[in-house]
Amino acid sequence: AQTVTQSQPEMSVQEAETVTLSCTYDTSESDYYLFWYKQPPSRQMILVIRQEAYKQQNATENRFSVNFQKAAKSFSLKISDSQLGDAAMYFCAYGETSGSRLTFGEGTQLTVNP
Amino acid sequence: SQTIHQWPATLVQPVGSPLSLECTVEGTSNPNLYWYRQAAGRGLQLLFYSVGIGQISSEVPQNLSASRPQDRQFILSSKKLLLSDSGFYLCAWSVWQPGQPQHFGDGTRLSIL
Repeated sequence: AQTVTQSQPEMSVQEAETVTLSCTYDTSESDYYLFWYKQPPSRQMILVIRQEAYKQQNATENRFSVNFQKAAKSFSLKISDSQLGDAAMYFCAYGETSGSRLTFGEGTQLTVNP
Repeated sequence: SQTIHQWPATLVQPVGSPLSLECTVEGTSNPNLYWYRQAAGRGLQLLFYSVGIGQISSEVPQNLSASRPQDRQFILSSKKLLLSDSGFYLCAWSVWQPGQPQHFGDGTRLSIL
């Protein structure tokens, strides 16, 4: 079974600075999908970014980008120009190609300091 | 556009009482549907998923059950709630193709007394 590990339970960043959240995963598959979700205090789950494993180019969405290292099975999220509204729990998730189920990590709580 | 509705938002139930949480999706056909549970400060645990009417896969043996009586309706049930059933329950949907993101409802906070 696939596992997703987020080794940083908590992170903090100053407003306008850059922060990187780590995620590693374990799989024997060569094709799969990876996601980052954000869960603010409202507890709504919001999709931040999606990466296809067969694409070498790292995905970007405005201030959010990923560093996808397939050989290392690493999928980190970089948030540039951090804003107060970025404060949330961030979850990394692995998606299989044989279906649409996701396996989530335990999350990283991000605090943004003014 | 597609929307997902989940209710109720908050529920307080006594131990041993039944449970019914409902989730409906609008704006899409034949979605995959999911129920998750999230303990405080933790990740999401997949409870059930469904790829079609009447088709339910259970991920974790437990006190809960799920049903999909209509294409865009997903129901989480229990006949007798346990204290350990407390938590935050999330419904989600995705299109049927692999690799597509899941889209979540606003969740139900369930407290068992």
